[in-house]
Amino acid sequence: QKEVEQDPGPLSVPEGAIVSLNCTYSNSAFQYFMWYRQYSRKGPELLMYTYSSGNKEDGRFTAQVDKSSKYISLFIRDSQPSDSATYLCAMRAGGYNKLIFGAGTRLAVHP
Amino acid sequence: DGGITQSPKYLFRKEGQNVTLSCEQNLNHDAMYWYRQDPGQGLRLIYYSQIVNDFQKGDIAEGYSVSREKKESFPLTVTSAQKNPTAFYLCASSVAGTDEQYFGPGTRLTVT
Repeated sequence: QKEVEQDPGPLSVPEGAIVSLNCTYSNSAFQYFMWYRQYSRKGPELLMYTYSSGNKEDGRFTAQVDKSSKYISLFIRDSQPSDSATYLCAMRAGGYNKLIFGAGTRLAVHP
Repeated sequence: DGGITQSPKYLFRKEGQNVTLSCEQNLNHDAMYWYRQDPGQGLRLIYYSQIVNDFQKGDIAEGYSVSREKKESFPLTVTSAQKNPTAFYLCASSVAGTDEQYFGPGTRLTVT
């Protein structure tokens, strides 16, 4: 079983829809959670960063962490065609540890 | 204009040949990383370096080698011992001890 599971999609939604992207994980030691966005043939870029459980909002993006369920989500409100990309979750345990990435979910927002 | 550059963008090699992928950063970051990305899999860590002249193996280091002679540069050599080298290779850097990694544009290596 992978440490981090992420549905690869693809996920296709109309412009303006609310998008929900999710990851589950098995290691209860994970404390730091990230979402990276990767456009086609580019390197990933950090989108959201959260520590421990709860919600964090940044513009149209909300990151949610539920440590009791080992489940994290990224919500995108009023989705735009420019949001079309692959979204990778990443997480790590405390202390110095490497990031563990999910496989990525490919999102397509059509006009 | 700060950032990470990787060259070349596309690379083709014959089986049995070693090949070196370039990674340069001008962000003054101490830590640098090499990942490979395959379809349906997350980024997998090959090697990382937290300081000049020091580096550690990641999860899939077999068949790869690196050097870190300068802070700005972290080249990756894919040797003929790597059984399945065709992949998208990503280099990243970060301030030491932080999670925000800045990625380069990647090099797509095809070995036939």
